[in-house]
Amino acid sequence: IAGITQAPTSQILAAGRRMTLRCTQDMRHNAMYWYRQDLGLGLRLIHYSNTAGTTGKGEVPDGYSVSRANTDDFPLTLASAVPSQTSVYFCASSAQGNSNQPQHFGDGTRLSIL
Amino acid sequence: GDSVTQMEGPVTLSEEAFLTINCTYTATGYPSLFWYVQYPGEGLQLLLKATKADDKGSNKGFEATYRKETTSFHLEKGSVQVSDSAVYFCALSDRPRGSTLGRLYFGRGTQLTVWP
Repeated sequence: IAGITQAPTSQILAAGRRMTLRCTQDMRHNAMYWYRQDLGLGLRLIHYSNTAGTTGKGEVPDGYSVSRANTDDFPLTLASAVPSQTSVYFCASSAQGNSNQPQHFGDGTRLSIL
Repeated sequence: GDSVTQMEGPVTLSEEAFLTINCTYTATGYPSLFWYVQYPGEGLQLLLKATKADDKGSNKGFEATYRKETTSFHLEKGSVQVSDSAVYFCALSDRPRGSTLGRLYFGRGTQLTVWP
């Protein structure tokens, strides 16, 4: 079934450690996104990519980095995790980065930083 | 800037009751509007969308009409079921000036619980 695969499903991490969340899509979508979901705050955009080779900063980019080496993969890296990065992380994609295109979401990664 | 305000929950209803979840928005351009649904332990799924004023999006018995004059996109369903229990997110997508990306702005979500 076509869609977005995120890994790991959940992770507990010590503060200060480096962590990469993986995201792969098989829909050949050009645009990809990373969000974090926190109770009472909805979803906030961390980073995005319009197409392979380009990335941009979203609403809450500090402490996170991304890369887009190819169309299918969009990993999110926490260089040195802090407790405030405890959250549920969702990867999403859309066919194009146009405003009328719906986004398709993965099932999320639940990350706890201790 | 662009933003979405939606009715705070939780909302608790009996099966077959009428549902309304209010959503209003602020946008600088001509946004597209969406409702997403999130079931427990899952990601968000698109429920319905409307891309211009007076459009009505509908799916699975849910409806929402894009009202430009009131900047609203309220979600309605005539008769809810237990299986509709989930978190519902209103969202708008707009292209900020100088940007090539249509960004999604989400409301904070409304938890709906339907009892049999």
